[in-house]
Amino acid sequence: EDKVVQSPLSLVVHEGDTVTLNCSYEVTNFRSLLWYKQEKKAPTFLFMLTSSGIEKKSGRLSSILDKKELFSILNITATQTGDSAVYLCAVAWSGGGADGLTFGKGTHLIIQP
Amino acid sequence: KAGVTQTPRYLIKTRGQQVTLSCSPISGHRSVSWYQQTPGQGLQFLFEYFSETQRNKGNFPGRFSGRQFSNSRSEMNVSTLELGDSALYLCASKENLAKNIQYFGAGTRLSVL
Repeated sequence: EDKVVQSPLSLVVHEGDTVTLNCSYEVTNFRSLLWYKQEKKAPTFLFMLTSSGIEKKSGRLSSILDKKELFSILNITATQTGDSAVYLCAVAWSGGGADGLTFGKGTHLIIQP
Repeated sequence: KAGVTQTPRYLIKTRGQQVTLSCSPISGHRSVSWYQQTPGQGLQFLFEYFSETQRNKGNFPGRFSGRQFSNSRSEMNVSTLELGDSALYLCASKENLAKNIQYFGAGTRLSVL
């Protein structure tokens, strides 16, 4: 059975700290790994990673994928209170005439001022 | 472009009733997926529709059903509601089957009393 495991499940840090969120996966017919940020309701797309070792960056956020060891990390530097959210990792798969996203349970990140 | 629109935003029902949720995808997107999100289980896949056909179904009982119309709008129906059906129901769309990134709506919060 496909699974995506995120750690830690929750994390409380102070503004200005750097955080690393982890995502490991065992998914058949892997296509790509995606990160989403969920603040109130709608998860919003952050990154999609398809190849190992290529870092994606957007401002203070960056992410990298290791397809050999089957994991990804999401780094946030100089955290701000607006970074408080649930960060979701999802793996896109395709096979047997179907495709979809399998999600981890998320990391609930709280940034204290 | 307008994002994914879900209606209604909130619903309160009693056990045994049925409910219909609606989702309008981003214009031009033909694939619609539905997810159930609960604090304990995270995002769990319900089903995916493309060109009015259900391509994939998650591990949910037959009380959960859906359909897609020719304009790509989708509905999901839950019959004989149970207390455990209380959740946030999220709809996501993507342009076509070759794409991995799904864009989410704000969800419908269903409470079953």
